[in-house]
Amino acid sequence: GENVEQHPSTLSVQEGDSAVIKCTYSDSASNYFPWYKQELGKRPQLIIDIRSNVGEKKDQRIAVTLNKTAKHFSLHITETQPEDSAVYFCAATRGDSGYSTLTFGKGTMLLVSP
Amino acid sequence: DSGVTQTPKHLITATGQRVTLRCSPRSGDLSVYWYQQSLDQGLQFLIQYYNGEERAKGNILERFSAQQFPDLHSELNLSSLELGDSALYFCASSLRAGQVGGYTFGSGTRLTVV
Repeated sequence: GENVEQHPSTLSVQEGDSAVIKCTYSDSASNYFPWYKQELGKRPQLIIDIRSNVGEKKDQRIAVTLNKTAKHFSLHITETQPEDSAVYFCAATRGDSGYSTLTFGKGTMLLVSP
Repeated sequence: DSGVTQTPKHLITATGQRVTLRCSPRSGDLSVYWYQQSLDQGLQFLIQYYNGEERAKGNILERFSAQQFPDLHSELNLSSLELGDSALYFCASSLRAGQVGGYTFGSGTRLTVV
């Protein structure tokens, strides 16, 4: 089955800095890679996703890049703000429908200091 | 409100007891997934149902079982509870008509076994 490794486990940055979280996956057939943000005590929420036919996707201050050859993908957050503090999870799955089970990384706790 | 409803929000019970967690998916979603999130763990996949049938199984203990009913709501049954079963249990749903990929999570049920 799929295995997703996520690094770092914790990341502390100053407000305004950039943050990068990296994930690798094992199943070369995986083709959908979402990122979730989970604030303390809340549910994980989808913030951005990327499919294997795309190398990069951007949404305001967040972007995701995918390197299919190396089987890794990354989340980039620019101009970080204190409200970006949360746990971020990457995930991977094969298939292109709700049938497919997402395999999650173990999460990265991002702390943004004012 | 994500549209995925989980009840109860909190549950405190004693070791050896049995509890049932309930999940109603978003309207139109046919697939339901159960995840366990412990304090130092990421999101551990337990089981998936699609349109009433079990579709995939993860690291679900034999003491745990689940089902999805004709109205598509799902229940996760946890029996012979142990202290280590204390965790946040999330339900997610997916596969709205036309949707591809991604889950929507409910707010979770926090189970405390004492």
